[in-house]
Amino acid sequence: KNQVEQSPQSLIILEGKNCTLQCNYTVSPFSNLRWYKQDTGRGPVSLTIMTFSENTKSNGRYTATLDADTKQSSLHITASQLSDSASYICVVSARGDYKLSFGAGTTVTVRA
Amino acid sequence: DAGITQSPRHKVTETGTPVTLRCHQTENHRYMYWYRQDPGHGLRLIHYSYGVKDTDKGEVSDGYSVSRSKTEDFLLTLESATSSQTSVYFCAISESGTISGANVLTFGAGSRLTVL
Repeated sequence: KNQVEQSPQSLIILEGKNCTLQCNYTVSPFSNLRWYKQDTGRGPVSLTIMTFSENTKSNGRYTATLDADTKQSSLHITASQLSDSASYICVVSARGDYKLSFGAGTTVTVRA
Repeated sequence: DAGITQSPRHKVTETGTPVTLRCHQTENHRYMYWYRQDPGHGLRLIHYSYGVKDTDKGEVSDGYSVSRSKTEDFLLTLESATSSQTSVYFCAISESGTISGANVLTFGAGSRLTVL
């Protein structure tokens, strides 16, 4: 069964600090992995997408990494801002399959 | 939210009553999806549509039905709502069925349903 596990479930950081979120998956055969940001009361919005051959991808202060061998991804937030307070969801696609596997998300709270 | 409108955004209803949630898109995307989001769970697919009058079940379809009579509208119906269907429901759209590369799954703002 394709699964996506995210850790930690939640974290609190001070404004200006960095943090790293983890995503482990068992989806096979792997197609791509996407990180979404979900603000409270809103739908998820895509941050980055990574395919098998990509190790790192950045979107502003967000940097995603992928290790396809160990089936792990991380999302690093640099110099956090209050607006980074949100839930971050890891979503994995299997090759040739329309179905997506969603992680339960990591809730990040940035405090001034 | 990128040309997707969900209605109503909030609804409180009683057990046993029928409920219909509406998703309207202005992107002319072929694929439309209904997901539910519950604490501690990832988003779970209820039903999806790959064209007008073409729909299929997702992983948690029991108790739900859908209809798509126009490209832009996708309706989710709970024939007889139960407390276990209390959730936040998200509509999503995509240009094709394979979510890869530039084909992004775009979500609406969500509809919060409470069944008492």
